[in-house]
Amino acid sequence: DVKVTQSSRYLVKRTGEKVFLECVQDMDHENMFWYRQDPGLGLRLIYFSYDVKMKEKGDIPEGYSVSREKKERFSLILESASTNQTSMYLCASSFTLGASDANTGELFFGEGSRLTVL
Amino acid sequence: QQQVKQSPQSLIVQKGGISIINCAYENTAFDYFPWYQQFPGKGPALLIAIRPDVSEKKEGRFTISFNKSAKQFSLHIMDSQPGDSATYFCAASKGGSYIPTFGRGTSLIVHP
Repeated sequence: DVKVTQSSRYLVKRTGEKVFLECVQDMDHENMFWYRQDPGLGLRLIYFSYDVKMKEKGDIPEGYSVSREKKERFSLILESASTNQTSMYLCASSFTLGASDANTGELFFGEGSRLTVL
Repeated sequence: QQQVKQSPQSLIVQKGGISIINCAYENTAFDYFPWYQQFPGKGPALLIAIRPDVSEKKEGRFTISFNKSAKQFSLHIMDSQPGDSATYFCAASKGGSYIPTFGRGTSLIVHP
């Protein structure tokens, strides 16, 4: 089974602290994503990466950065946490779409990291 | 601009009833429409998906109905069970892209 592991399920941080959220996938997926989930707002894409050392901004990148030094690992960084970054953060991975119709780009999600910034 | 609009935001259904969640999209380039299911404390997982060359896809109690001309698609859960209580997200993606656009989600509660 595909496994996407987020290292921290629950974090409590202070305003201004630097926060690292780690994500590891074991299926050799090219693509990795960081989403933020808030009630009533659904899943909002923060950043994604289609290859090692490559990154692209999603819909809400402000206040976040990412790092992908190895194919299996994608980190989300909050340089200076703020209270409005209190949220559930979800990591996901997928294969790149290919010629095969069977590869649909299905996203495999981790269980989430709930971050509270005080 | 919300490219995929999902309704209702929340839904309460009695056990055995039919749950219906609707989504509408704007971009006619979308050609893949998945639904994801998320249980409390878990990440979303693919439930069922459809391409626009068919109008309906059924997997067990779950059915997607697709109306290309109206740019709408819906999820029907027949004989809803308390174990179906979850948040459901519709999504859409376009050919060559691996990045889906998600709806805002529907929280479904099925009462026993």
